Amino acid sequence: NAGVTQTPKFRVLKTGQSMTLLCAQDMNHEYMYWYRQDPGMGLRLIHYSVGEGTTAKGEVPDGYNVSRLKKQNFLLGLESAAPSQTSVYFCASSPRGRSGEQFFGPGTRLTVL
Amino acid sequence: QQQVKQSPQSLIVQKGGISIINCAYENTAFDYFPWYQQFPGKGPALLIAIRPDVSEKKEGRFTISFNKSAKQFSLHIMDSQPGDSATYFCAARFNNDMRFGAGTRLTVKP
Repeated sequence: NAGVTQTPKFRVLKTGQSMTLLCAQDMNHEYMYWYRQDPGMGLRLIHYSVGEGTTAKGEVPDGYNVSRLKKQNFLLGLESAAPSQTSVYFCASSPRGRSGEQFFGPGTRLTVL
Repeated sequence: QQQVKQSPQSLIVQKGGISIINCAYENTAFDYFPWYQQFPGKGPALLIAIRPDVSEKKEGRFTISFNKSAKQFSLHIMDSQPGDSATYFCAARFNNDMRFGAGTRLTVKP
């Protein structure tokens, strides 16, 4: 099992460009999450999904959109990238339930110039 | 406003010593408190977790102590090893909303 995979690993964008980050999991998990990690701030939840076709806002959703068309995939979109979105992005998945451990992917390092 | 405050930012411990990282939270609705370990270039991985109805949980060299009345919890790493050198994050979750501390960079010197 590959667990949680993220594509791409690195990306450099210019201000105003758009891009989509792809997260895939092969553990049949119901829940999936997108976080951003910035120095000195830990991880912050951007959006999450509790099932195929459903999404919800997290702590820092502005400037991002998500889609969960298939259970195993969770896409994070930036429509018009800004330098403030320079960060490391992590996807995670977890099974349903109160004690569901979140399994994280390896991250995508995004730089917006 | 960070809902989970973590200290210290960095910690240096000698091999064989005890590493202690502390966290405090605000929201009493949090009902799950995990600790994650992250190595450079990798995603966080769950180390140990506790629920608020338990005051202590031990797994090998790692122990969580939980003080519900003070809204504080801490991670103790006994017999710290150089391989434990990593960044540690505490977190607190309510429903699907997980809030993380800012992280502690632990260095264990041989």
